[in-house]
Amino acid sequence: QVQLVESGGDLVKPGGSLRLSCAASGFSFSDYYMAWIRQAPGKGLEWLAYISRDSTYINYAASLKGRFTISRDNAKRSLYLQMNGLRVEDTAVYYCARDHRSGYHLSWGQGTPVTVSS
Amino acid sequence: IVLTQSPGTLSLSPGDRATLSCRASQSVDNNYIAWYQQKPGRAPSLLIYGASRRATDVPDRFSGSGSGTDFTLTISRLEPEDFAVYYCQHYGSSPGYTFGQGTKLEIK
Repeated sequence: QVQLVESGGDLVKPGGSLRLSCAASGFSFSDYYMAWIRQAPGKGLEWLAYISRDSTYINYAASLKGRFTISRDNAKRSLYLQMNGLRVEDTAVYYCARDHRSGYHLSWGQGTPVTVSS
Repeated sequence: IVLTQSPGTLSLSPGDRATLSCRASQSVDNNYIAWYQQKPGRAPSLLIYGASRRATDVPDRFSGSGSGTDFTLTISRLEPEDFAVYYCQHYGSSPGYTFGQGTKLEIK
């Protein structure tokens, strides 16, 4: 069955960096767009970015202002999110998702928590 | 596109019919609206895509409708496991995809 397992979440100081990973199994990873979505504590969902099957197409939420970078390694069946210049407001659970090519999220990982605090 | 969901909280009983609304700030092309269900402590799961198409294994008591700027998720007869938070999402166009703020469906 489809499995997405995020890792890399941690407690980090403001201004710090973190790299999240998402390990995929149970489907042909290279055939799917992938995405990152986050959810701040007690808040709603915020779409962050998507990446196409071969990394040709990438799109980010405007709110990220170039601080985050999505990437993938199809050989390793893995999705990544490099987060730089972290702010307190980036505190959230970060989910990776397997996307239909049109953009809706077919399946989600269980999430990895990121806390930005001094 | 900004999505506004209403009501914020809906209090109903098992067996009731639930109607959740999602209004877009401008017309949605191709009816690219999805609905997700999120239970406490769990990741969201896909219910509806393309405004009205049920995802795999979603019970037929869930249905989606609408076009243009007004979309609706209907749960025909609430089961205990349906009490959760529901989000609509616009997808498929730049600059990015957006979620509504969510509707909490709680037991009355």
